[in-house]
Amino acid sequence: SQQGEEDPQALSIQEGENATMNCSYKTSINNLQWYRQNSGRGLVHLILIRSNEREKHSGRLRVTLDTSKKSSSLLITASRAADTASYFCAHANFGNEKLTFGTGTRLTIIP
Amino acid sequence: DTEVTQTPKHLVMGMTNKKSLKCEQHMGHRAMYWYKQKAKKPPELMFVYSYEKLSINESVPSRFSPECPNSSLLNLHLHALQPEDSALYLCASSQGYTRGGTEAFFGQGTRLTVV
Repeated sequence: SQQGEEDPQALSIQEGENATMNCSYKTSINNLQWYRQNSGRGLVHLILIRSNEREKHSGRLRVTLDTSKKSSSLLITASRAADTASYFCAHANFGNEKLTFGTGTRLTIIP
Repeated sequence: DTEVTQTPKHLVMGMTNKKSLKCEQHMGHRAMYWYKQKAKKPPELMFVYSYEKLSINESVPSRFSPECPNSSLLNLHLHALQPEDSALYLCASSQGYTRGGTEAFFGQGTRLTVV
């Protein structure tokens, strides 16, 4: 399977703390993306980092990519209760639209 | 309009029924996807259409039959399903690889229960 792995599987932190989740993948990639899913409904795209980029920021989100280690991390700073959700990394291949999701991290922010 | 609309939101069907899931987008996206998601699991890719042609089929059983009538619509026809096919079915769209965009926009899903 080309599915990526994420860790931790679950993470609980106090509101205001930072949350870090990690993703590993197995193939060469065109880009890596992070998505959020609330309560088992639709996924929302958060951020995309291309294979030639090492770090990207968007608001309270910081994503890093290490293609030599085939890994990525997502940092959410100053967490809020509304950040409670499942977070998935997804990698996109070269040459087609295939988008393969990692196993996900369930994040709980404790008010 | 950045929405992907899926209907119905919920569907209960018997193992001998035939039903269809529908998905619509008006963002001019040329790639459309079907994913299946079981509880507490990641979405699993089923099919990808690129420019209205089936480009990826992840060895999905033939009881699932996709159809792309035009660039805005995507259907998933269901027939003779099994209880283990009960899941959340997600539709998504993206600009497509050749247009430089694989960021996917997802619908809210159809929660399917097979009885």
